Amino acid sequence: AQKITQTQPGMFVQEKEAVTLDCTYDTSDQSYGLFWYKQPSSGEMIFLIYQGSYDEQNATEGRYSLNFQKARKSANLVISASQLGDSAMYFCAMREGPAAGNKLTFGGGTRVLVKP
Amino acid sequence: EPEVTQTPSHQVTQMGQEVILRCVPISNHLYFYWYRQILGQKVEFLVSFYNNEISEKSEIFDDQFSVERPDGSNFTLKIRSTKLEDSAMYFCASSSRTRLAGELFFGEGSRLTVL
Repeated sequence: AQKITQTQPGMFVQEKEAVTLDCTYDTSDQSYGLFWYKQPSSGEMIFLIYQGSYDEQNATEGRYSLNFQKARKSANLVISASQLGDSAMYFCAMREGPAAGNKLTFGGGTRVLVKP
Repeated sequence: EPEVTQTPSHQVTQMGQEVILRCVPISNHLYFYWYRQILGQKVEFLVSFYNNEISEKSEIFDDQFSVERPDGSNFTLKIRSTKLEDSAMYFCASSSRTRLAGELFFGEGSRLTVL
C-alpha cells in the first residue's frame, strides 16, 4: 500500500486565489510527521511546512497552512493568495517514528500552475 | 543561510562506468540521506547514514551503490557500474537532531545521464 497518496497530478489556479492540495497517508505509528515540499522548475526541494502527529493545531507558515485531519489521515496543503512564483511541483511527505534521523517517504506530487 | 551543496550539477556517463556524486551537508547536521528522482516521477529514498554507517537503505540501494563520508565534510554516493535506468536526479539531504520536525534540507541535486 502507498504510504503517501496525492490524487491530483495537476491543478490550475488563478493568481490571488487559494488552492488546496490533497494528501492522505497510511501509517500505524502513533508518532509521525507530515511535510510539504515545493519543487520549482529549477529542481531544488524546498521545505514549506510541518505538522506533527501530536500537534493539536494546524500548522501555518505565511501563506501556507496545513489542514490536518488525523482521523481521516489527511494533511492537505492550502496556499492562500496564489502568486505566479507558486507554480511548481508540490510533494507531501511523511516521517514515521521520532524525528531524529528517520527518512521521509514522498507522495507522487501535484503540479500547480498559477494563471495570471 | 547554511545549505547543502552537491557536485556535479550534471554528469553524463557511459553505461558500465563508475560515478561518484558528492555532497557537503550542513555542517552541524548528523544525519545524511540520498534520494533519487527519475524524470517526472516521485522522489525515492535510497539510503540514510548516521555515525559513519548506513542506518537504513531501500531495495533500490543494491550492491552497485555505496556511500561514504571520507572526511568531516563530504558525503558521497558511488554507483559502481551504471545502468541506463540509473539516469535520474540524485538529491543529497541532511537533517539535525535539534530540530523538532526533523525536516530534511536538500541540495540542488545532481542530474545523472547514462548513455
